[in-house]
Amino acid sequence: GAVVSQHPSWVICKSGTSVKIECRSLDFQATTMFWYRQFPKQSLMLMATSNEGSKATYEQGVEKDKFLINHASLTLSTLTVTSAHPEDSSFYICSARGLPNTEAFFGQGTRLTVV
Amino acid sequence: EDQVTQSPEALRLQEGESSSLNCSYTVSGLRGLFWYRQDPGKGPEFLFTLYSAGEEKEKERLKATLTKKESFLHITAPKPEDSATYLCAVHGYNNNDMRFGAGTRLTVKP
Repeated sequence: GAVVSQHPSWVICKSGTSVKIECRSLDFQATTMFWYRQFPKQSLMLMATSNEGSKATYEQGVEKDKFLINHASLTLSTLTVTSAHPEDSSFYICSARGLPNTEAFFGQGTRLTVV
Repeated sequence: EDQVTQSPEALRLQEGESSSLNCSYTVSGLRGLFWYRQDPGKGPEFLFTLYSAGEEKEKERLKATLTKKESFLHITAPKPEDSATYLCAVHGYNNNDMRFGAGTRLTVKP
């Protein structure tokens, strides 16, 4: 299967600071990338969908000014959590899909802890 | 709206005890149904894509099947290393993204 690399795998930051998470498709061109949040023992909650070169589409209830998504190239998308607070602590996962495939491949996830 | 329901929520098996996981779905035109495996603290690992009713796919001890309303993930003679959460997702023609079920948490005891 295709490889998606997510970095960092874990990060601890102070309340009020911003954190950037990178998602790269290593061996295919990702026309669409997805960002999810996952709480313990729960399923994936889609936060936003981004297509290369265009603005991300956010799910209802997700603050676009707090979770900044950039999909500047066909192999890289970034999620920036701005002015992080303890309630933003969670497991964030990206996935990428490239044509003509319908399946998406996931990164390893990023454990964010805000203290 | 596309919906996915997985059952059971949790399943405990003895090593070698075969069983099936269920994924019921409603979708306005199915582009694909997907099965993933997720280990704790990691991203989901892709297993299968099924596109049309009657299709089957196999990989080692796993076999996925599809009807117009549901998909089954059959696990034959499971081993402890098969313990994980198995996620089902659908991609419909009216959406750009996949809709995930809540998952089935499988535990295989030696």
